[in-house]
Amino acid sequence: GESVGLHLPTLSVQEGDNSIINCAYSNSASDYFIWYKQESGKGPQFIIDIRSNMDKRQGQRVTVLLNKTVKHLSLQIAATQPGDSAVYFCGLTLAAGNKLTFGGGTRVLVKP
Amino acid sequence: EPEVTQTPSHQVTQMGQEVILRCVPISNHLYFYWYRQILGQKVEFLVSFYNNEISEKSEIFDDQFSVERPDGSNFTLKIRSTKLEDSAMYFCASASREGTEAFFGQGTRLTVV
Repeated sequence: GESVGLHLPTLSVQEGDNSIINCAYSNSASDYFIWYKQESGKGPQFIIDIRSNMDKRQGQRVTVLLNKTVKHLSLQIAATQPGDSAVYFCGLTLAAGNKLTFGGGTRVLVKP
Repeated sequence: EPEVTQTPSHQVTQMGQEVILRCVPISNHLYFYWYRQILGQKVEFLVSFYNNEISEKSEIFDDQFSVERPDGSNFTLKIRSTKLEDSAMYFCASASREGTEAFFGQGTRLTVV
């Protein structure tokens, strides 16, 4: 089966610095990867996604990197802002199905 | 911007009672999901629904759970006889295509007492 895990439960970062959140997965058949942000009391909010045929994708202030060799996914947030404080979840689906499986979440705390 | 809406935002129920959690997915989406999140834990997949039938379900989704799309716009999750351990946030999500981003609602907090 598939499993998704995160390296650090909490990440403290100074406002203006870059943040990197890491995620490891176990199933090499994983086809689609996604990052969500969850603020307190709210539902997960889509940030960025990437398919297995890519190794990098950029959005507004965010970059997702995929290393299929070591089954590692990361989210980079440039110039972290107080509004970026939240829990970040990585997720994936297998090529054969549409079930989105989430990792345990990393809490990002932005210090002013 | 289109969004997934869930009602109620908070439901308190007695153990053993039936609850129905309601969701209105984004109108042109075809794939529907229920997830739950126990306080402080990760978001866990419950069930996916496509073409008026369950396409996949987790081990959590046992005989006490059922889903329905009764009228083409609502998507409901029913728990027949609630247990204390069913207390969690329940999120509905929808997607336009398989293997694309799912849009989540704000969740229903279910408290079983």
